[in-house]
Amino acid sequence: ETGVTQTPRHLVMGMTNKKSLKCEQHLGHNAMYWYKQSAKKPLELMFVYSLEERVENNSVPSRFSPECPNSSHLFLHLHTLQPEDSALYLCASSRELAGGYNEQFFGPGTRLTVL
Amino acid sequence: AQKVTQAQTEISVVEKEDVTLDCVYETRDTTYYLFWYKQPPSGELVFLIRRNSFDEQNEISGRYSWNFQKSTSSFNFTITASQVVDSAVYFCALSEERPGANSKLTFGKGITLSVRP
Repeated sequence: ETGVTQTPRHLVMGMTNKKSLKCEQHLGHNAMYWYKQSAKKPLELMFVYSLEERVENNSVPSRFSPECPNSSHLFLHLHTLQPEDSALYLCASSRELAGGYNEQFFGPGTRLTVL
Repeated sequence: AQKVTQAQTEISVVEKEDVTLDCVYETRDTTYYLFWYKQPPSGELVFLIRRNSFDEQNEISGRYSWNFQKSTSSFNFTITASQVVDSAVYFCALSEERPGANSKLTFGKGITLSVRP
């Protein structure tokens, strides 16, 4: 496979469930990102990892827990979510973090619905 | 703080029409980068172009062209002879130079383009 892949593509969960989103990049990048895309709102950066270390956490509620075991994989663990957390969750990767010039490559997203 | 404004929310055109998507940005930095991404119905954002603040040359790639004007802080995107496959949401984004730190992208709210046959 090439590019950035995300699984599952669709997820429906109850407020008491625990689930995980998975992202994998096949581009040899060493920075990975989680974004949230809600209807009629700009993309919101949630987490940034560089060389498996978290470098940014944009005041995301603790019910979202990221994990980056290596530079190719990124997870987002979900527990006790709220209906307002329903959104498209996008993963992205870039070649390196230094500077702002590296374009990010995005996966297709996971469409999450919280009942 | 950086900000990207895409004032147009939805645009509908008939195939073969030209269409321009506007993007206005705000930043205090002298070095920054501007991007356009396309998000088709499949969901993933597709990178289209990156432009740095030192390069005000306009760029053309096939039916796509970009007009970067620092004087008006704008980075507009024109699709010539639009096609149905151009239907998507288009995002403009800004990243400031942060050596040794993270390349944080600030996105606009996106413009939904519908191209009718």
